[in-house]
Amino acid sequence: GENVEQHPSTLSVQEGDSAVIKCTYSDSASNYFPWYKQELGKRPQLIIDIRSNVGEKKDQRIAVTLNKTAKHFSLHITETQPEDSAVYFCAASMGGGADGLTFGKGTHLIIQP
Amino acid sequence: ETGVTQTPRHLVMGMTNKKSLKCEQHLGHNAMYWYKQSAKKPLELMFVYNFKEQTENNSVPSRFSPECPNSSHLFLHLHTLQPEDSALYLCASSERGFSYNEQFFGPGTRLTVL
Repeated sequence: GENVEQHPSTLSVQEGDSAVIKCTYSDSASNYFPWYKQELGKRPQLIIDIRSNVGEKKDQRIAVTLNKTAKHFSLHITETQPEDSAVYFCAASMGGGADGLTFGKGTHLIIQP
Repeated sequence: ETGVTQTPRHLVMGMTNKKSLKCEQHLGHNAMYWYKQSAKKPLELMFVYNFKEQTENNSVPSRFSPECPNSSHLFLHLHTLQPEDSALYLCASSERGFSYNEQFFGPGTRLTVL
């Protein structure tokens, strides 16, 4: 089955700086890569996703890049703000998400004031 | 209620008890999922239901028994659980039929097995 590795497990950045979280996946058949944000005590919420036919996608301060050859994808957050502090999970799916997601272990992002 | 709801939000049970977790989605979706979230482990997919039919059982022990009576409701029946089953159980739903499906999560049930 699919295996997703995520790094780092904890990331501390100064407010206003950029943060980058990286994930690798094992199954070349995976075609859908969402990123979820989970604040303490809350449910995971989708913040951005990318499909295998796209190399990069941006939404305001958030961007995701995908390298299918290397089987890795990354989340980039620019101009970080205190409300960005949360745990971020990457995931991969072969069925476009319909068959369930395989998640990475999560990255605890801490924004230092 | 909107989105995906789960009840109860917290549950404490003994190893010999039988209990059920309930999930309801108000989004008109046709696929539902159970995930387990433990400390120091990634979110683990347990079961997938598409159009009320179970299409995936991710090697889950038989002490967990899912039920999907219709596209809006999903249950997880629990019996003779172990302390290591203590975790946050998350339900999600999506609209199968499109190429790519955003999954919407419920708030979860925090389960403690004594």
